[in-house]
Amino acid sequence: AQSVTQPDIHITVSEGASLELRCNYSYGATPYLFWYVQSPGQGLQLLLKYFSGDTLVQGIKGFEAEFKRSQSSFNLRKPSVHWSDAAEYFCAVGNTDKLIFGTGTRLQVFP
Amino acid sequence: GAVVSQHPSRVICKSGTSVKIECRSLDFQATTMFWYRQFPKKSLMLMATSNEGSKATYEQGVEKDKFLINHASLTLSTLTVTSAHPEDSSFYICSARDQTTEAFFGQGTRLTVV
Repeated sequence: AQSVTQPDIHITVSEGASLELRCNYSYGATPYLFWYVQSPGQGLQLLLKYFSGDTLVQGIKGFEAEFKRSQSSFNLRKPSVHWSDAAEYFCAVGNTDKLIFGTGTRLQVFP
Repeated sequence: GAVVSQHPSRVICKSGTSVKIECRSLDFQATTMFWYRQFPKKSLMLMATSNEGSKATYEQGVEKDKFLINHASLTLSTLTVTSAHPEDSSFYICSARDQTTEAFFGQGTRLTVV
C-alpha cells in the first residue's frame, strides 16, 4: 500500500537551532517527492521537490531535503531555524496525477 | 510561482443548503485540478481530480452526488457541497496543474455548516 509517515507530530526548537523533519514512504516505484509548508488557515506552499538526479535538493527559505532510496526517506532539514518557520509541514509522494500526504509535523519555534 | 485563487476563504451555511467553492488559476491554464479535504490535525485527503471538459474522477468513499465538481474552463473549477450537513464542515483546498509536474495550491476554504 502507498503511504507516507511523518513520525513526529509536533517539534519544538529554539530559534537558530538546526531542524530535521522526518518523512518515510511506501510506494511501488520511485515516486516524486515533495515538502510543503502550511501556515494556519492557509493553503500549501511548495518548499522543494525531488523528481530525479541529485538526491540532495535545495528549496526555498533555506530548506533542503535528502532522498535516500535505501531508507525510503526524504527528510527535510534547515541549519538555522527562524521564528517565521513556525508552521505545519507536510511531506507528499506520488506522481503527476495523485499525491499522498503525510499527517504533518507542527513546528513550534521559541525565541 | 503560479497563483491559484480560492474563494471564499470562509463560509458558514445552514444545514440543508448548498455552497459553492471556486478555484481559479490566475496566470496559467490548469489542465488538471484537484480537490482536497483536510480534517483538523489531519492530512489532506484527495477527494477528486478533474480535467478540463471532462467529468471528475472521485476517490473511493467520496460521494459524487454530494460533492459536485465542475471544471468548465482551463482557469476555473468549482466544488459544490450539496445539502450540506455539519459533518461536511472542514477545510477544503484545491490545487491546479498545467502541463508541468508541479501543482499549485489555493489558500483553502473553511466551511462551517450550522
